[in-house]
Amino acid sequence: DGGITQSPKYLFRKEGQNVTLSCEQNLNHDAMYWYRQDPGQGLRLIYYSQIVNDFQKGDIAEGYSVSREKKESFPLTVTSAQKNPTAFYLCASNLGQGALDTQYFGPGTRLTVL
Amino acid sequence: GENVEQHPSTLSVQEGDSAVIKCTYSDSASNYFPWYKQELGKGPQLIIDIRSNVGEKKDQRIAVTLNKTAKHFSLHITETQPEDSAVYFCAATRFWGGSEKLVFGKGTKLTVNP
Repeated sequence: DGGITQSPKYLFRKEGQNVTLSCEQNLNHDAMYWYRQDPGQGLRLIYYSQIVNDFQKGDIAEGYSVSREKKESFPLTVTSAQKNPTAFYLCASNLGQGALDTQYFGPGTRLTVL
Repeated sequence: GENVEQHPSTLSVQEGDSAVIKCTYSDSASNYFPWYKQELGKGPQLIIDIRSNVGEKKDQRIAVTLNKTAKHFSLHITETQPEDSAVYFCAATRFWGGSEKLVFGKGTKLTVNP
């Protein structure tokens, strides 16, 4: 069963804590992305990775960090420096070869700061 | 940078009617325009896409049209059904940081009334 999985589905964090959101894909895709979605807003790009051991900041990278040690995995850490972290976080992937092709999304993680 | 405007933000239709959602983009270099459907609490799913060398594409009850001169593209859903109720996002590509990315509109919440 191929696809993108994200865990956990719901996550609660106390202020001042770092939390890590998991994203795994078995589609053999090179490129992976993290987006943030707020109510009534489109998806905003946080970080992306075109290849293992390389990643780039998106439009709203401040307060977030990522790693890409394996092709299948692209975890996102929401640090205490992110002032307003409550949101729906979406991971996506695509082949990443040349022109942009279909981007597949995971089911999302809803993060709430208490 | 690329900016994508999407209208309307909400749309309510009767079952069997047609629904049209419109998007405009600013970057004339954009060449790929996907549409995503997002059901409550889930990740977006691609429903149709179009590339800049094509003016129209149809898949059963769903069609997309592209006017490159005017920089706008539209999603058309015919014979709407209650299960079409969801939030729909348009997107356009932008070239940034050495690769193409997607810029998303803010979404249209479609409600199909039985």
